[in-house]
Amino acid sequence: GQQVMQIPQYQHVQEGEDFTTYCNSSTTLSNIQWYKQRPGGHPVFLIQLVKSGEVKKQKRLTFQFGEAKKNSSLHITATQTTDVGTYFCVSGGSNYKLTFGKGTLLTVNP
Amino acid sequence: KAGVTQTPRYLIKTRGQQVTLSCSPISGHRSVSWYQQTPGQGLQFLFEYFSETQRNKGNFPGRFSGRQFSNSRSEMNVSTLELGDSALYLCASSLDGQGGNSPLHFGNGTRLTVT
Repeated sequence: GQQVMQIPQYQHVQEGEDFTTYCNSSTTLSNIQWYKQRPGGHPVFLIQLVKSGEVKKQKRLTFQFGEAKKNSSLHITATQTTDVGTYFCVSGGSNYKLTFGKGTLLTVNP
Repeated sequence: KAGVTQTPRYLIKTRGQQVTLSCSPISGHRSVSWYQQTPGQGLQFLFEYFSETQRNKGNFPGRFSGRQFSNSRSEMNVSTLELGDSALYLCASSLDGQGGNSPLHFGNGTRLTVT
């Protein structure tokens, strides 16, 4: 079945540093969604990417979908302590099935 | 618009018992999906219901079951509880469900502890 590998599993940064998490698949993805889960909270939808090569920005967050639609990335510029949490990618596929990345836990040292 | 509501928030059960968890989706959402989240395994898909029909199922044993009512509210049941069933159980609702373009809206989850 379709698998999405997400790396890194953990990332610890100093406040102000940049952060990137990657999701990779061996198969073409129909779309990809990104979610953030704060510690003790539930996943919250951030964005969806559908088109090949698509780039979307939300303030300090930049989301990219690869040209081949097999990979995606989330980049945070100048991290803040409010960015702490686990970031998940979720890929849409056929037969109404979603595939979840394992998530990247981001911790930020103030 | 009210968000996804899960009840109860916390549950403590003993091995061998059974448990029923409830999820009320956002009004108008016809898809409800359930997930088990543990520190070691991450977020794992249990099943999805759309218009009262189970549309997809993850790789969990038959002890895990669910249903969806005509008002889109959903319940999941776990029978013969095992220690390994201790987890955060999340439900999510969306307009068109898995595979569609609608985002998932998660509830706060039910924290189940099996002793």
